[in-house]
Amino acid sequence: EAQVTQNPRYLITVTGKKLTVTCSQNMNHEYMSWYRQDPGLGLRQIYYSMNVEVTDKGDVPEGYKVSRKEKRNFPLILESPSPNQTSLYFCASSFGTGNVYEQYFGPGTRLTVT
Amino acid sequence: DAKTTQPNSMESNEEEPVHLPCNHSTISGTDYIHWYRQLPSQGPEYVIHGLTSNVNNRMASLAIAEDRKSSTLILHRATLRDAAVYYCIPGSGNTGKLIFGQGTTLQVKP
Repeated sequence: EAQVTQNPRYLITVTGKKLTVTCSQNMNHEYMSWYRQDPGLGLRQIYYSMNVEVTDKGDVPEGYKVSRKEKRNFPLILESPSPNQTSLYFCASSFGTGNVYEQYFGPGTRLTVT
Repeated sequence: DAKTTQPNSMESNEEEPVHLPCNHSTISGTDYIHWYRQLPSQGPEYVIHGLTSNVNNRMASLAIAEDRKSSTLILHRATLRDAAVYYCIPGSGNTGKLIFGQGTTLQVKP
């Protein structure tokens, strides 16, 4: 089954404790992206990757890192999480065709930083 | 980035057609119009996209105005499972970034 998977689905952590949220897709998509969703602010893009070893900042990259060493994986790294990073995170992937990106989203990771 | 205007909420009865409008008067000439939806407690889901002419797929139809300043997503027979927030998103540029506004919350009554 074609899908985007995220782990963990739920995470409660403390300020400053490094964490990684994994994202994996099995559709051989070149394009992958991370979004966060907050009440009243909608979904905002954090980072995106056009292909292996190619990553770039989205609208809200502060406090986050990503890597794209393999086509299927695009982990989101929080080196020193803070309470303002408490949010619902979504990973997405897509074939990029010109300026059309039919994106497939993962189920989400709900992160709470205390 | 093009600005969109959608009604905050709409209601429909089950098995009736639903027309979800979107205004995107500042859309550029090469921007596709995408529609996504988000069911409760799930990630966004692609619905349909189009550029100039009307489009159909297994989920919905997309009617695009001739001047491209507005579009309408049509669900031909709403089901309870179609209750979701529907987002109209003009363009993703060359970065693939989707700008999600507040969307339209669709309620479907049995």
